[in-house]
Amino acid sequence: EVQLVESGGGLVQPGRSLRLSCAASGFAFDEYAMHWVRQAPGKGLEWVSSITWNSGRVAYADSVKGRFTISRDNPKNSLFLQMNSLRIEDTALYYCVKNHEMATETDAFDFWGQGTMVTVSP
Amino acid sequence: SYVLTQPPSVSVVPGKTARVTCGGDNIESKTVHWYQQKPGQAPVLVIYYDSDRPSGIPERFSGSNSGNTATLTISRVEAGDEADYYCQVWDSSSDHVFGTGTKVTVL
Repeated sequence: EVQLVESGGGLVQPGRSLRLSCAASGFAFDEYAMHWVRQAPGKGLEWVSSITWNSGRVAYADSVKGRFTISRDNPKNSLFLQMNSLRIEDTALYYCVKNHEMATETDAFDFWGQGTMVTVSP
Repeated sequence: SYVLTQPPSVSVVPGKTARVTCGGDNIESKTVHWYQQKPGQAPVLVIYYDSDRPSGIPERFSGSNSGNTATLTISRVEAGDEADYYCQVWDSSSDHVFGTGTKVTVL
């Protein structure tokens, strides 16, 4: 059974940093691209970042480019999102998401974690 | 950037058919995926590659993609289908893009 468990969220002041983690199990983590998707309270889904299976390619939404860094540790089945220079508008539930197919990062998202909440407030 | 437009809401009577549209420029040239999100829950993939269903998704859910509009069709709607639905594509200039979301209400 695929499981994605996020952690690291919390309340932080604007301008500060936070590091999210995602522990994956139940599938061959090192064969799949992974993603972060966020959802602000009462709003829709917003793709944040993607990383290929071997970290060869990473991509970011314009809204977080230059501030967020995605990474992964395949031996530890873990995905990370380092968030710097946080803004109030980064307040959202952050989901760790698995790519549907191997060997691509442009596919559907077939499994989602339950999310970790990040609140940026003075 | 690539934009996907969905109607904010769709209402349907139980047993009837609900259609949720997703508009985008020449969207037929892209593969469209659909997600269902119930209140307080994570999204669930219900349609991928325009019209394929993941295992466990009822046959009542189907998808199509033509011209500038992709459509999610829910046949024989049940109360448990009430949820928010999002379309999604990958675009070479925008990466992953989600639609604006549609709330399906079962009357």
